[in-house]
Amino acid sequence: EAGVAQSPRYKIIEKRQSVAFWCNPISGHATLYWYQQILGQGPKLLIQFQNNGVVDDSQLPKDRFSAERLKGVDSTLKIQPAKLEDSAVYLCASSGIQRDNSGANVLTFGAGSRLTVL
Amino acid sequence: AQSVTQPDIHITVSEGASLELRCNYSYGATPYLFWYVQSPGQGLQLLLKYFSGDTLVQGIKGFEAEFKRSQSSFNLRKPSVHWSDAAEYFCAVGRNAGKSTFGDGTTLTVKP
Repeated sequence: EAGVAQSPRYKIIEKRQSVAFWCNPISGHATLYWYQQILGQGPKLLIQFQNNGVVDDSQLPKDRFSAERLKGVDSTLKIQPAKLEDSAVYLCASSGIQRDNSGANVLTFGAGSRLTVL
Repeated sequence: AQSVTQPDIHITVSEGASLELRCNYSYGATPYLFWYVQSPGQGLQLLLKYFSGDTLVQGIKGFEAEFKRSQSSFNLRKPSVHWSDAAEYFCAVGRNAGKSTFGDGTTLTVKP
């Protein structure tokens, strides 16, 4: 099956500019996540969607970050205006039920979008 | 609150040598535990997971991990490391894979 697709892979912008990242999850995966991974740290959850609804956006800096998943498939994460501290890799992941007996969900990650804010 | 500590920021091993990456967690209930690997420029790939049952878990690429409740640990092991195993490894804990808390990772370097 095709993996989680993300674009662009790399983006360099100046502070106060805006940027948008796109994610196409694995077909049939209802749950989609956006993570921020700052250099030297593990991923931190920004927002979780279930189909086209937001399940958890408690860690999303809503004054500058926004995300949508209008048709329950693709998703876009936007930053406006960007700050220097937003430099990070933005990872998208989707989840479905693992094909084993555990019944538990597992994540499949995209390759990420690396943002550099100058 | 849940948390994960990976005490070793960087580990170097010789090819063919054994490997153990440490992971200690804090969680208020029975945790779900995960190990992921991230190669440069790639997303995270799930190596293995523990949900319940046998505390020794087998994963992909010859990795295994052992859940020790008494020590709040979930260390990752491999008996013989290959050069292609050089990457960053992340441990994560949580009752939901998507809302897991990740450690800050251990970078593995493999010497020829």
